[in-house]
Amino acid sequence: EDQVTQSPEALRLQEGESSSLNCSYTVSGLRGLFWYRQDPGKGPEFLFTLYSAGEEKEKERLKATLTKKESFLHITAPKPEDSATYLCAVSTSGTYKYIFGTGTRLKVLA
Amino acid sequence: NAGVTQTPKFRILKIGQSMTLQCTQDMNHNYMYWYRQDPGMGLKLIYYSVGAGITDKGEVPNGYNVSRSTTEDFPLRLELAAPSQTSVYFCASSWTGNNEQFFGPGTRLTVL
Repeated sequence: EDQVTQSPEALRLQEGESSSLNCSYTVSGLRGLFWYRQDPGKGPEFLFTLYSAGEEKEKERLKATLTKKESFLHITAPKPEDSATYLCAVSTSGTYKYIFGTGTRLKVLA
Repeated sequence: NAGVTQTPKFRILKIGQSMTLQCTQDMNHNYMYWYRQDPGMGLKLIYYSVGAGITDKGEVPNGYNVSRSTTEDFPLRLELAAPSQTSVYFCASSWTGNNEQFFGPGTRLTVL
């Protein structure tokens, strides 16, 4: 069964303390991996798409990487405004459905 | 562009009542999706559509119905509301089945 697992469930960082969020997946055929940011009471907001192992994408303090089994979202020198839930999703061969992980709740303290 | 819009933002239903959650996108996307999000459970796919007139079930379709008569609109119908349908509902759209999805702001539904 296709599955996406995110870890940790929750993470508290001091401002400036870099860290990484993990998204591991077991799917029959990965077509794409997506990272989203979700603020409380709002819909998910798209961050990155990764299509093949070795691919990397960057945006401000965020960098996403992809291997054949997992993806990492690296947060460098985070600020309080980076506090949010970060969701990972995959699209797989033979279906138009996306599978979402349960997310990592990030809290950055000033 | 407004992107994906959803109405209403909040709704309280009594058990057994029915309602329609509205979703409209102005990006000319062919693919549209309905999800529900429960605390700690992630996003679960209810129904999706790959174009006008074409819909299919997701993981949790029971108790819901959809239609797709135009490219822009993808309403979700709840018949005979039950407390288990208390959740936050998100509509999303994408260019293809392998592109990023754009989400609406959500509808918070409570069934009492």
